[in-house]
Amino acid sequence: DAKTTQPPSMDCAEGRAANLPCNHSTISGNEYVYWYRQIHSQGPQYIIHGLKNNETNEMASLIITEDRKSSTLILPHATLRDTAVYYCIVRLIQGAQKLVFGQGTRLTINP
Amino acid sequence: GAVVSQHPSWVICKSGTSVKIECRSLDFQATTMFWYRQFPKQSLMLMATSNEGSKATYEQGVEKDKFLINHASLTLSTLTVTSAHPEDSSFYICSASRGTSSTGELFFGEGSRLTVL
Repeated sequence: DAKTTQPPSMDCAEGRAANLPCNHSTISGNEYVYWYRQIHSQGPQYIIHGLKNNETNEMASLIITEDRKSSTLILPHATLRDTAVYYCIVRLIQGAQKLVFGQGTRLTINP
Repeated sequence: GAVVSQHPSWVICKSGTSVKIECRSLDFQATTMFWYRQFPKQSLMLMATSNEGSKATYEQGVEKDKFLINHASLTLSTLTVTSAHPEDSSFYICSASRGTSSTGELFFGEGSRLTVL
């Protein structure tokens, strides 16, 4: 699976939009971009995923660059409960469905 | 959404004993489940892929005889840590795929914290 690069930590003010970047410059055409988050001492929670088009759901928006080498997860109105480690993962479409986690970004929402 | 449940959520055991952790998909059938381990302040490390009705596939460096995985039904996978030692103390997390398509997201359990004294 292709690897991803994320900043180790970020801060964001409560109520503002949190924009989390991810580089996946070696992504191949048959790989999706997935985002998960993990709140302390809990299992990871699925947020969103996409292939090449931008995606939006009730939790977040995912912006993928045209060349697919990077993406940004956007939490439009961050709350204190959004404090977590956010993982950007690329995952093969075919074959094994496993998720291989990198180090992620520790996002802290400040009041 | 789909629910994956783990039991127990935490366990303390003596060194040398074996501990079994269960992972259940509560409202869907999971042909494949995955087991992860997470040490404090570290990311999740994939240990093995559990396939219903067949032998698990272990990641490099994970001891098959120490971490026994059984996936006897489409809703249950178990991880047994045999002859546990303090260095096996960790947060163990399972996940399950609901769909056969690889575009389906994985759902994670709440995790099981093992402490070996």
